[in-house]
Amino acid sequence: DAKTTQPPSMDCAEGRAANLPCNHSTISGNEYVYWYRQIHSQGPQYIIHGLKNNETNEMASLIITEDRKSSTLILPHATLRDTAVYYCIVRVYSGGYQKVTFGTGTKLQVIP
Amino acid sequence: DGGITQSPKYLFRKEGQNVTLSCEQNLNHDAMYWYRQDPGQGLRLIYYSQIVNDFQKGDIAEGYSVSREKKESFPLTVTSAQKNPTAFYLCASSMAGTRGTQYFGPGTRLLVL
Repeated sequence: DAKTTQPPSMDCAEGRAANLPCNHSTISGNEYVYWYRQIHSQGPQYIIHGLKNNETNEMASLIITEDRKSSTLILPHATLRDTAVYYCIVRVYSGGYQKVTFGTGTKLQVIP
Repeated sequence: DGGITQSPKYLFRKEGQNVTLSCEQNLNHDAMYWYRQDPGQGLRLIYYSQIVNDFQKGDIAEGYSVSREKKESFPLTVTSAQKNPTAFYLCASSMAGTRGTQYFGPGTRLLVL
């Protein structure tokens, strides 16, 4: 399974863009990159996903490098409510089911 | 959360007791999943189900059991054989196949007395 590497923690000033990196150098051609976030003691919240093109939705933007070995999640204007653990995962479809492996993620602290 | 409910929010188990965690979804999703999360760690897959009356073991199924009698419901029983049940349990669901995104419920925290 493709593994991901994320920095354990990051700080971001409120109102500024938060750029969260993720390395997934062993990703295969048909595996999607997904981002979730988890606020303490809550279930993970889906943010965005992509295969090879950059994606944008109302929450964030996802930039995937051309070789697909890394990606960056961008929160354009971070607020205090964006403080959470952010998980970058590679979703594998194998044996007839989706397998998602969550690592330890990046703890983003938005500072007033 | 997005249409997935889990109950209760907190659950206490006595030694040797079986307990059942509820998971219901109204998203019309075919696939449902149970994960376990320990403090400071990622999620580990316990069981998953792609269709009613069918389910498969995940990475850490020992000490757990599930049923899938209805499309909307996927209860998890933590049996007395699970020696270290204290954890945060998360249920998820998705459409079947490669395009479905997994959406998670709010979780149940299980504590052993």
